[in-house]
Amino acid sequence: DAGITQSPRYKITETGRQVTLMCHQTWSHSYMFWYRQDLGHGLRLIYYSAAADITDKGEVPDGYVVSRSKTENFPLTLESATRSQTSVYFCASAEALTSKLYEQYFGPGTRLTVT
Amino acid sequence: DQQVKQNSPSLSVQEGRISILNCDYTNSMFDYFLWYKKYPAEGPTFLISISSIKDKNEDGRFTVFLNKSAKHLSLHIVPSQPGDSAVYFCAAGNAGGTSYGKLTFGQGTILTVHP
Repeated sequence: DAGITQSPRYKITETGRQVTLMCHQTWSHSYMFWYRQDLGHGLRLIYYSAAADITDKGEVPDGYVVSRSKTENFPLTLESATRSQTSVYFCASAEALTSKLYEQYFGPGTRLTVT
Repeated sequence: DQQVKQNSPSLSVQEGRISILNCDYTNSMFDYFLWYKKYPAEGPTFLISISSIKDKNEDGRFTVFLNKSAKHLSLHIVPSQPGDSAVYFCAAGNAGGTSYGKLTFGQGTILTVHP
């Protein structure tokens, strides 16, 4: 399928478990992003990547790990899930062109519940 | 420190009337501003943008106004339609330095357009 996909769409896990959220895009966009959406906070950037093997922290990176070995994939791992990480997670991608860089394309989201 | 703020959590408008959504920012380094629209269970989608060298950008029923001196932007929807009912996020970016490519989002405003 063309576009940007996330899996799983829904996930329930227990405190302390490791969880990996997947993100895949077919546009060959250079930039990819992970956000979490929480009531009252809007969208907050967790990590982003400017290209394969280049990643950087966003606003709320603690407790999360990312990697980007291929341009099209950008997985997000919660090393030891906590209840405060219960949220909706969105992956996004964008072209490197300055005029288009900020027009990010979002996936459908993953709703994660940590019990 | 919320650098982008949407102070109205919700807005209710009658079909055919104008909807005005507001957004304030504190970081004077922001030079690109965008509005995203989000339906339930979907990812945000890009709606309209404006760079800091302009004060107005129009696209069909949607117009974004930027007042740099007041650090304020607004989105006008005329005429409003029931299908416009969604959450609207404003976002801001800075093309310089380590912030290149990153967006800071507001908390969102829920717009409801009544038939």
